[in-house]
Amino acid sequence: GAVVSQHPSRVICKSGTSVKIECRSLDFQATTMFWYRQFPKQSLMLMATSNEGSKATYEQGVEKDKFLINHASLTLSTLTVTSAHPEDSSFYICSARVLGAGELFFGEGSRLTVL
Amino acid sequence: EDQVTQSPEALRLQEGESSSLNCSYTVSGLRGLFWYRQDPGKGPEFLFTLYSAGEEKEKERLKATLTKKESFLHITAPKPEDSATYLCAVQAFSGYSTLTFGKGTMLLVSP
Repeated sequence: GAVVSQHPSRVICKSGTSVKIECRSLDFQATTMFWYRQFPKQSLMLMATSNEGSKATYEQGVEKDKFLINHASLTLSTLTVTSAHPEDSSFYICSARVLGAGELFFGEGSRLTVL
Repeated sequence: EDQVTQSPEALRLQEGESSSLNCSYTVSGLRGLFWYRQDPGKGPEFLFTLYSAGEEKEKERLKATLTKKESFLHITAPKPEDSATYLCAVQAFSGYSTLTFGKGTMLLVSP
C-alpha cells in the first residue's frame, strides 16, 4: 500500500505555544490530504480537507484560525496548532488517497500533549 | 447523515477461538466500505475495501463480507498478534470524498 509519513510522533508543549505537524506522502502524489483527530476510545473525527495549492476546507466546529493547514506541494501538508491549550491535547492523524483509489492511507499519528 | 455503528465495543477471545465483528451503516449511496486495523498509539492500517453487497475479501485469518446494511469481519483461529482495534468506515458517493468512521471494536486475543 501507499506510504504516508507523519512527524513528529509525539510532542509536548507549553500552553500558548504553537506546534507544527508534518504529513508527507512518500511514494505517491496527493492533491488532497485529510486531517483527523482522535480522542481515547472514540472514532476518528475529520477536522479538515487539505487541498494542494488552495485553502483547506474545515469541518463544522473546527476553528480555522487555531488549526492552520498548509498544503504547499503534492507530497506535503502541515497542520499548525496555534496558541495551544490543554484541551487541544489529542491524537492527530493525517491521511491521503492515491488518485483513483477509494481507500485512505494513514500516517502514524502525532500525540500532542499541552501542559 | 452517514452513520457507522460497530459492535461489540470490546471482544476478548482465546487463541484459536473464531468470532465476528459487526459494522452496521446508513449512508446515502454507498461508494465503499473499508476495514482498518489500529494498534495503540498508531495510525490505522488499511485492510479491505468492499463495494457491493455479496462481496467478500480475505487476508490471512480475516474475511470481510458486505450486505446492504452491514459488514462483518470474521476472524478465524485468531492469534495474540491479531489483538488491535478494528475500525469500519463508509464512503458515500455524495459530498467530500472522505470516510465516516465507527468507534471501533477493541479485540484482545489471549494465548
